[in-house]
Amino acid sequence: AQSVTQLGSHVSVSEGALVLLRCNYSSSVPPYLFWYVQYPNQGLQLLLKYTTGATLVKGINGFEAEFKKSETSFHLTKPSAHMSDAAEYFCAVSPLSGSARQLTFGSGTQLTVLP
Amino acid sequence: NAGVTQTPKFQVLKTGQSMTLQCAQDMNHNSMYWYRQDPGMGLRLIYYSASEGTTDKGEVPNGYNVSRLNKREFSLRLESAAPSQTSVYFCASSPTQGRGQPQHFGDGTRLSIL
Repeated sequence: AQSVTQLGSHVSVSEGALVLLRCNYSSSVPPYLFWYVQYPNQGLQLLLKYTTGATLVKGINGFEAEFKKSETSFHLTKPSAHMSDAAEYFCAVSPLSGSARQLTFGSGTQLTVLP
Repeated sequence: NAGVTQTPKFQVLKTGQSMTLQCAQDMNHNSMYWYRQDPGMGLRLIYYSASEGTTDKGEVPNGYNVSRLNKREFSLRLESAAPSQTSVYFCASSPTQGRGQPQHFGDGTRLSIL
């Protein structure tokens, strides 16, 4: 069974600093990979996804993530944090094939951006 | 606006009461899902419907039932609410199940069981 680990339930950065949110997955075959963002009192919005092809994926709002098969990781980065980036971020995976093709979510990382 | 609509947005129930959470999508998606979100646990799948006419259990189905009323609507029912079911419930949809297709989420229903 696949699983997702997000290191750090809370991350604080200063405005303008690098954002790095960590995600590692456990799967015998590299899965599809997603990052979602959740603003207060809202549902989840897709930031970016990796399916096949280029391992560096660019998403909305200046975020990007790199799929590293050797490290089973899909970390999310943004060069310069903005106050509006404060939200909760979820990494998710789904298998490439098989009958159980649902999303499995990590436990989330709350990002705080300090002025 | 196109998307996933959930009703109600907030609800307080007493233990033992029943309730149905409604979800509708207008994106012509085939697959729909119900999740619950609890602090520190991410989202956990309760039930899903890969296509109209089918439903399957997810990770945490106990205490819930679902109905895929038509292609647009997927409801979640609590027959006898328990305090452990206090949570935020999200409905989502996708064009089909899996294949790397992202899911689109509603804004959630915040449910408290007293």
